[in-house]
Amino acid sequence: DTQMTQSPSSLSASVGDRVTITCRASQFISNYLNWYQQKPGKAPKLLIYGASTLQSGVPSRFSGSGSGTDFTLTISSLQPEDFVSYYCQQTYSIPQTFGQGTKMEI
Amino acid sequence: EVQLVQSGAEVKNPGDSLKISCRASGYSLTSYWIAWVRQMPGKGLEWVGIMYPGDSETRYSPSFQGHVTISADRSINTAFLQWDSLKASDTATYYCTRREVATRGPYYFHYWGQGTLVTVSS
Repeated sequence: DTQMTQSPSSLSASVGDRVTITCRASQFISNYLNWYQQKPGKAPKLLIYGASTLQSGVPSRFSGSGSGTDFTLTISSLQPEDFVSYYCQQTYSIPQTFGQGTKMEI
Repeated sequence: EVQLVQSGAEVKNPGDSLKISCRASGYSLTSYWIAWVRQMPGKGLEWVGIMYPGDSETRYSPSFQGHVTISADRSINTAFLQWDSLKASDTATYYCTRREVATRGPYYFHYWGQGTLVTVSS
């Protein structure tokens, strides 16, 4: 299996801050990396796919970068609704594993 | 409009069998891979397995292989996740999700069901 190491597991920040979440794959995954946002009690929502492509309808303050094994999700200016959980996922090989998640806290 | 609608919450005893469903609408189930994802209470997302209903090819995570079965009924456009013998550790919310393919290859999951909470307790 490809292990996805996501950090930090929790992140304290303030409205308006710029934050970065990182995800490292245990082996090469090209750009087969997605980012999801999950609100409590809800299904995950796709933010970024292919490492850097913003899903339609997702605010432009979200951006992704990286290739190979190292990836980042950046939120340029945190909004109150962004204080939820985020997950990376690799879809290069099966099982299509997720990172452990990052919980954003005010 | 593409929708994945899952069956309702279940409460079961250890050792019981269970089959939960994911009904697709707005597209043909046979045209896309469907995956299942587990989320234990207060925990992260875990990839269970994936199926292509068009030819029934199925792949499982080693962590779930042999304990769950993914299937589909093309006549009712519905995918299923089933257990023959539940354990307390199966208590979780299970999501179904459709796999998309980007123009240059990467796969991603955009459409998700609302989740089915399975509680296994004696």
